[in-house]
Amino acid sequence: EVQLVESGGGLVKPGGSLRLSCAASGFNFSSYSMNWVRQAPGKGLEWVSSISSSSGYIYFADSVKGRFTISRDNAKNSLYLQMNSLRAEDTAVYYCAKPLRSGLPDFWGQGTPVTVSS
Amino acid sequence: QSALTQPASVSGSPGQSITISCTGTSSDVGSYNLVSWYQQHPGKAPKLMIYEVTKRPSGVSNRFSGSKSGNTASLTISGLQAEDEADYYCCSYAGSNTLVFGGGTKLTVL
Repeated sequence: EVQLVESGGGLVKPGGSLRLSCAASGFNFSSYSMNWVRQAPGKGLEWVSSISSSSGYIYFADSVKGRFTISRDNAKNSLYLQMNSLRAEDTAVYYCAKPLRSGLPDFWGQGTPVTVSS
Repeated sequence: QSALTQPASVSGSPGQSITISCTGTSSDVGSYNLVSWYQQHPGKAPKLMIYEVTKRPSGVSNRFSGSKSGNTASLTISGLQAEDEADYYCCSYAGSNTLVFGGGTKLTVL
């Protein structure tokens, strides 16, 4: 059974940093690219970032480019999102999502909430 | 990276059919057969309902179907049931290894 468990969310002041983690199980993690997607309170879904299976290719939404970094540890079946220079508009539930081979997300974790507020 | 356009809300009575549209551009929906649809109940994670425009994952009811014409994709739910009441989001590959989502549609079963 595929499982994705996010952690690391919380309350942080504007300009602060936070590192999110996603623990994966139930599939061959090292063979899949992975995504982070966020959802602001009462709003829609927004793709944030993706990383290829071997970390060779990394992509970001314009809204987070230069502030967020994505990484993974295939030995630990884990995905990470380092968020720096956080802004109020980064407040959201952050989901990690496993994609199909076509790249479209198919399985999602339960999400971890991030609140950026003074 | 502009969001795909979905109606804010749709509604239908039990047993009826409804269709939710998802309008993009020639750079995303119109260029790729890589459109997916997700169902999200309050406080829950999104669940994949349709992928690659028309394909249905194992375990998803055949009451859910997808289609695409030009820059607009559509999700049709037939034989509406109370448990279908949820938010629905479309997603499209947008080139350069990016994804774009729709703003979401709230489905109310009357």
